[in-house]
Amino acid sequence: GAVVSQHPSWVICKSGTSVKIECRSLDFQATTMFWYRQFPKQSLMLMATSNEGSKATYEQGVEKDKFLINHASLTLSTLTVTSAHPEDSSFYICSASGIPHYEQYFGPGTRLTVT
Amino acid sequence: RKEVEQDPGPFNVPEGATVAFNCTYSNSASQSFFWYRQDCRKEPKLLMSVYSSGNEDGRFTAQLNRASQYISLLIRDSKLSDSATYLCVVNIGNQFYFGTGTSLTVIP
Repeated sequence: GAVVSQHPSWVICKSGTSVKIECRSLDFQATTMFWYRQFPKQSLMLMATSNEGSKATYEQGVEKDKFLINHASLTLSTLTVTSAHPEDSSFYICSASGIPHYEQYFGPGTRLTVT
Repeated sequence: RKEVEQDPGPFNVPEGATVAFNCTYSNSASQSFFWYRQDCRKEPKLLMSVYSSGNEDGRFTAQLNRASQYISLLIRDSKLSDSATYLCVVNIGNQFYFGTGTSLTVIP
C-alpha cells in the first residue's frame, strides 16, 4: 500500500490563532487529496477535495476562507485553520489518491484542540 | 438520498462467528468499490477493493452486485482484533463517497 503522512499529529492552540496541517504522500503521486474532519463517535465528514495545481472544491457548509487548502505539488497539501475557535476542535484527516494508487490512502490524522 | 448507505450496527458477535455487512449505493455510474476499517481514534485503512467477480483475502470476502447496487463484506472466524468500524466506499471519477460505517465488536 501507499504511505501518507500528516504533521503535526496533535496540536493545541489558543482561540484566534491559525494552525497549519501538512499532508504528504511519501511514495506516490497524489493527484487528488481530500481533507476530512471527524468528531468523536461520528462519521468522517468530507471538507474539501483538491487536485494538484487547482483550487480546492469545498463541501457545502465548509467555509473556504476559514479552512485554506493548498495543493501545490503532487506530494504535499496543506490545510490551514484560520482564527481557530473551540468548536473547530476535531480530528482532521487527509487522504490521497493518484498514481499508481487510485484508492484513497489516509494519513494518521491530526488531533486539534482549541482552547 | 445518500450516495452510500450502511447499517450502523452495532454488531456484537462471539469470537469465531461469521458476520456479514451490506452496503447499498445509489448511483449506477459508480466505478470502484472498497471496504475500509477504522479503529477508534485512528485513520481509516484500506481493507480491500471489491471487484465484480468477488474477491477473497483470508477470512474476508467481498462481493459486488451491480444489478442490485450493493456490496457486501463477509468475515469468517471472527477474531477479537476484527473489532472496528467498517466503512463502505464508492468511487465515481475522482469523488469517493463514504458510508457512515458499521460498528463490529467481537466478544470473547
